[in-house]
Amino acid sequence: RKEVEQDPGPFNVPEGATVAFNCTYSNSASQSFFWYRQDCRKEPKLLMSVYSSGNEDGRFTAQLNRASQYISLLIRDSKLSDSATYLCVVNGRGGSYIPTFGRGTSLIVHP
Amino acid sequence: ETGVTQSPTHLIKTRGQQVTLRCSSQSGHNTVSWYQQALGQGPQFIFQYYREEENGRGNFPPRFSGLQFPNYSSELNVNALELDDSALYLCASSPDTSNTDTQYFGPGTRLTVL
Repeated sequence: RKEVEQDPGPFNVPEGATVAFNCTYSNSASQSFFWYRQDCRKEPKLLMSVYSSGNEDGRFTAQLNRASQYISLLIRDSKLSDSATYLCVVNGRGGSYIPTFGRGTSLIVHP
Repeated sequence: ETGVTQSPTHLIKTRGQQVTLRCSSQSGHNTVSWYQQALGQGPQFIFQYYREEENGRGNFPPRFSGLQFPNYSSELNVNALELDDSALYLCASSPDTSNTDTQYFGPGTRLTVL
């Protein structure tokens, strides 16, 4: 089993739709969690951190479920500009700094 | 723009050769991490340098090595190149270790091994 797993998609959704991605992780000792966004042929950029209590930034909501070992990202009112690959990142392996990226989920928002 | 620069942008090498990739960190950042991103995959952590010392290493063989200089810029060296080393190599700088939420990526070096 991979340490961090994501459905590669692509998720094809119309503008205005709500879409959700999940990311599962295998190491229960993982300490911190993030979502990154990567546009085609560009570098990844931090979208948001994921806190135990969940967090929201505008149209984006991230949640952590430690019991089931997954994080989620919800995008409301999708825009064309949201089209990108969304990477989840899990930090920590017994306290050492080893960030593990998932392979990413591709989102395509169409008119 | 993040202020993290990498050179060269593209590189073509043949199997068995050696390559050196360079990264200049953002001003004020003392930590550089290197990643390998194969096509269709997420970035894989190679190693991190903090104040010129290696601080954490992913599952990469010893032929992947690095350096960090007093100005916090960094090099990634790969010896005995293999076809599977073809990938986008990303560096990311951050103001401290273990700060995945404050790391900024450079644009990457695309390496092709023939």
